Amino acid sequence: DAGITQSPRHKVTETGTPVTLRCHQTENHRYMYWYRQDPGHGLRLIHYSYGVKDTDKGEVSDGYSVSRSKTEDFLLTLESATSSQTSVYFCAIRTGGNAGELFFGEGSRLTVL
Amino acid sequence: GDSVTQMEGPVTLSEEAFLTINCTYTATGYPSLFWYVQYPGEGLQLLLKATKADDKGSNKGFEATYRKETTSFHLEKGSVQVSDSAVYFCALSGNDYKLSFGAGTTVTVRA
Repeated sequence: DAGITQSPRHKVTETGTPVTLRCHQTENHRYMYWYRQDPGHGLRLIHYSYGVKDTDKGEVSDGYSVSRSKTEDFLLTLESATSSQTSVYFCAIRTGGNAGELFFGEGSRLTVL
Repeated sequence: GDSVTQMEGPVTLSEEAFLTINCTYTATGYPSLFWYVQYPGEGLQLLLKATKADDKGSNKGFEATYRKETTSFHLEKGSVQVSDSAVYFCALSGNDYKLSFGAGTTVTVRA
């Protein structure tokens, strides 16, 4: 089975501080994704990556940046956190199934005070 | 762009009741369709999938049929259990390697 580790799993921070969430996969899957989950909105795509140093924006990318310097790691950065970025963040990988399904990590809960 | 609309919840049922959650989609081409489930405090797990029209996905007693003529992928289970209490998400994957999700439906099953 594909393995994804997200860190930190929980974080409380203050408005205006930078925050970085890390997603680590144990296999060499090409596509990686960051979603946020909010009540009433389901999951919304923030950014995704289709290879080392290859990334693109999703539907809610404002206020977020990403980096992928190694195949196994995909970092999500909030340069200056705001209360509207309080959410649960999920990393996912495309595992190569014939339907294009994604495998998700356990999530990182971020609270911005 | 691609989008998914699923019935709003929450849905509360008694054990052994019939469950149906409606899902319709808008997409160009021939997307793959999915149902994901999220148990309390956990991440999302793939429940079932279908890749082409008239395909039926099934798993753990749940079923959904890909209906291209009605652009639907409704989830059904004939007899729910307390352990089926979760949030269910309908999703589609188009040609752009991204998944689009519905808003989620919270299901609570009472003993």
